Amino acid sequence: DTGVSQDPRHKITKRGQNVTFRCDPISEHNRLYWYRQTLGQGPEFLTYFQNEAQLEKSRLLSDRFSAERPKGSFSTLEIQRTEQGDSAMYLCASSFVIGVPRITNEQFFGPGTRLTVL
Amino acid sequence: KQEVTQIPAALSVPEGENLVLNCSFTDSAIYNLQWFRQDPGKGLTSLLLIQSSQREQTSGRLNASLDKSSGRSTLYIAASQPGDSATYLCAVGDDQGAQKLVFGQGTRLTINP
Repeated sequence: DTGVSQDPRHKITKRGQNVTFRCDPISEHNRLYWYRQTLGQGPEFLTYFQNEAQLEKSRLLSDRFSAERPKGSFSTLEIQRTEQGDSAMYLCASSFVIGVPRITNEQFFGPGTRLTVL
Repeated sequence: KQEVTQIPAALSVPEGENLVLNCSFTDSAIYNLQWFRQDPGKGLTSLLLIQSSQREQTSGRLNASLDKSSGRSTLYIAASQPGDSATYLCAVGDDQGAQKLVFGQGTRLTINP
């Protein structure tokens, strides 16, 4: 399977614990995005990487959240001191963008990690 | 700030009908627009992508249109089937560096056999 993969698919944790999610993008894609989706809502942008550089972070990404993409390959999203309000589906997407001309930047999504904070 | 609205929130139709899902957005400075399908508890499957310079895209029984000036897109599904039952999400890509997607809340579609 050459699509976007995420691990784990489900995570249940107790309030105050730290959790880490992993995303493996489509191999030739240079952009990687993280989104968060709560029940009944559309996904909301959290952050994105161009290769290994994290170029933008949403105000939703509090200082308890940190994301990395070492060597421009897979990415991890860590949440420290989890709160019940962090319960959501965390979605990763990847795309391929070149400078000139800019192509479509179609984003392909993984299956998501569903986080439940008790 | 870009806002995306999808109407209706839910739609139930009998099998075989043609149907239209609507999406509107407040800022016409978009890079592209994508329609996605989401099955319960699953990730998003990309259905169609329309670049800002395009007016429509077609894939099989699906046709999506884009009118940037009026801030509207429609997804037309022909000859609906029970397997089309899912939530359909519209997302616009912003015209700045990230081209991050701003999503609507989705339309939950049920096709009755």
